[in-house]
Amino acid sequence: GQQVMQIPQYQHVQEGEDFTTYCNSSTTLSNIQWYKQRPGGHPVFLIQLVKSGEVKKQKRLTFQFGEAKKNSSLHITATQTTDVGTYFCAGRGSGTYKYIFGTGTRLKVLA
Amino acid sequence: DSGVTQTPKHLITATGQRVTLRCSPRSGDLSVYWYQQSLDQGLQFLIQYYNGEERAKGNILERFSAQQFPDLHSELNLSSLELGDSALYFCASSVALGGAGSLNTEAFFGQGTRLTVV
Repeated sequence: GQQVMQIPQYQHVQEGEDFTTYCNSSTTLSNIQWYKQRPGGHPVFLIQLVKSGEVKKQKRLTFQFGEAKKNSSLHITATQTTDVGTYFCAGRGSGTYKYIFGTGTRLKVLA
Repeated sequence: DSGVTQTPKHLITATGQRVTLRCSPRSGDLSVYWYQQSLDQGLQFLIQYYNGEERAKGNILERFSAQQFPDLHSELNLSSLELGDSALYFCASSVALGGAGSLNTEAFFGQGTRLTVV
């Protein structure tokens, strides 16, 4: 079945450094979503990418969907302590309704 | 506040027991999802309903079942509970189903029900 992996599993950065998490699917995706889960909280929707090669920006966050629609990335520029949490991608395969969540990347930002 | 309500917030029960988790989706959302998150783990998709009908199934155990009622609220039933079933169970809702397209499929998550089996 469809599997979605994320790397790295954990990342510790100094405040002000950049951070990137990568999401890889075993199958081609129709679209991909990104969520953030703060410690002790619930996942919160960040963005959705649909088109091959699509790039979207939200302030310091840049999201990219691969040309083959099998991978995606989230890049945070100049991390802040408020960026702490686990970032999940969630991909929907072609012809399916369900979104499969990636394994997540837990980000810690050291002040 | 996401608009998705889950009850109860916490549940402690013994092995072998049966529990029911309840979810009220956001007003207007027709699609409801259930996810299981074990300690420090990712989100495992369990099942999805749309307007009362089951539309997608994940790695849901046979001991687990769910349904979505005419008023669109959903319940997840967990029976013959085992220690390994201890986890955070999230319900999420979205406007659309996500089959024909991608519009309005972003999911809004509830606060979760933390189930502890002892």
